[in-house]
Amino acid sequence: DQQVKQNSPSLSVQEGRISILNCDYTNSMFDYFLWYKKYPAEGPTFLISISSIKDKNEDGRFTVFLNKSAKHLSLHIVPSQPGDSAVYFCAANMNRDDKIIFGKGTRLHILP
Amino acid sequence: DAGVIQSPRHEVTEMGQEVTLRCKPISGHDYLFWYRQTMMRGLELLIYFNNNVPIDDSGMPEDRFSAKMPNASFSTLKIQPSEPRDSAVYFCASSLTPKRDEQFFGPGTRLTVL
Repeated sequence: DQQVKQNSPSLSVQEGRISILNCDYTNSMFDYFLWYKKYPAEGPTFLISISSIKDKNEDGRFTVFLNKSAKHLSLHIVPSQPGDSAVYFCAANMNRDDKIIFGKGTRLHILP
Repeated sequence: DAGVIQSPRHEVTEMGQEVTLRCKPISGHDYLFWYRQTMMRGLELLIYFNNNVPIDDSGMPEDRFSAKMPNASFSTLKIQPSEPRDSAVYFCASSLTPKRDEQFFGPGTRLTVL
């Protein structure tokens, strides 16, 4: 059973608008969350992370929000740019474990 | 640093053949991970090593899969015999410590089993 769920396989957003990618998790023991970005023919690269002690982390155009009670996190990209077109993976980790559990990914298309 | 290096980048083989995928982690990274990406299952962890020792292989699909890390700078993932359902992109990643540090991924090996 998927512990990290990204229910939207794809998302299309107009350039300049806000992109919101969603992620749900089932394991309440997760205490650290990450987003990775993947271009075609390349490996995933780390984008941004958030600890469970926070509810928001911002890095430039990228902001991750965490709602622990709902077991939900989201990645906001503002404004969206053509180079943001990629697959975005949500991932989670618990402190007692070395493993990172990834979701299936959401493909983001930024439309001109 | 050249980053994580994987070879080959593409592999096409016939069912029943042995396939060996190779990975060179970033120097100094103590952790090495093997992942498989498919449309159905997304990015799933197969096995990971700490200081060349396999720690968790619970993600290895079956006995046809094996992985080794003979030294700190080299790891292999072997499939014998290969089957069409093994077709996927296989990634190797390394990190200093996995808990809070990011993992650095290689470019992946696209495996096609006919």
